[in-house]
Amino acid sequence: TQLLEQSPQFLSIQEGENLTVYCNSSSVFSSLQWYRQEPGEGPVLLVTVVTGGEVKKLKRLTFQFGDARKDSSLHITAAQPGDTGLYLCAGDTSGTYKYIFGTGTRLKVLA
Amino acid sequence: DVKVTQSSRYLVKRTGEKVFLECVQDMDHENMFWYRQDPGLGLRLIYFSYDVKMKEKGDIPEGYSVSREKKERFSLILESASTNQTSMYLCASSPPGGAGNQPQHFGDGTRLSIL
Repeated sequence: TQLLEQSPQFLSIQEGENLTVYCNSSSVFSSLQWYRQEPGEGPVLLVTVVTGGEVKKLKRLTFQFGDARKDSSLHITAAQPGDTGLYLCAGDTSGTYKYIFGTGTRLKVLA
Repeated sequence: DVKVTQSSRYLVKRTGEKVFLECVQDMDHENMFWYRQDPGLGLRLIYFSYDVKMKEKGDIPEGYSVSREKKERFSLILESASTNQTSMYLCASSPPGGAGNQPQHFGDGTRLSIL
């Protein structure tokens, strides 16, 4: 079974701090997606990365796909309480319909 | 905006009952998925369907079946509910083609408790 390990599992920080969330696997992914899930709702797509070494920015969020396409990171600059939620990475190993989801990082940003 | 609607937000059933979870999407998407979400385990794929009447097993299909008679509707069936099937169930849909670059649109989930 392919696994996507995310770290840390939980993170509680003060507003204005920076943070990085990691998504790691021993498998190579054709593409990797990041989702955010808020309480009582389903996950919502933030970004898709497809090229090794690719960096994408979404306002204060920076996403990077590892050169070998086995890992990814999400960096948040100057976190805000609105960033609170569960962050999930999801990888596609073979261009199929199936996604492998990570274990999730639960982020809480305190005002 | 894509809308994926799950029929119930909360559901309580008894061991041994046959349970139906319904999901409807309004964007004419070919692909539909059922996941369960448990703390520390992320989302695990139960079944997915890439066309009407087509289905494929995901990673944890045991104890579940699915039905896709119409393009917009994908049903998850617990044949004989057991307590270890207590979980959050999420339905998703996506446009046709491979997983890469195709966002999945999720419903808000059904929290199912089996007593």
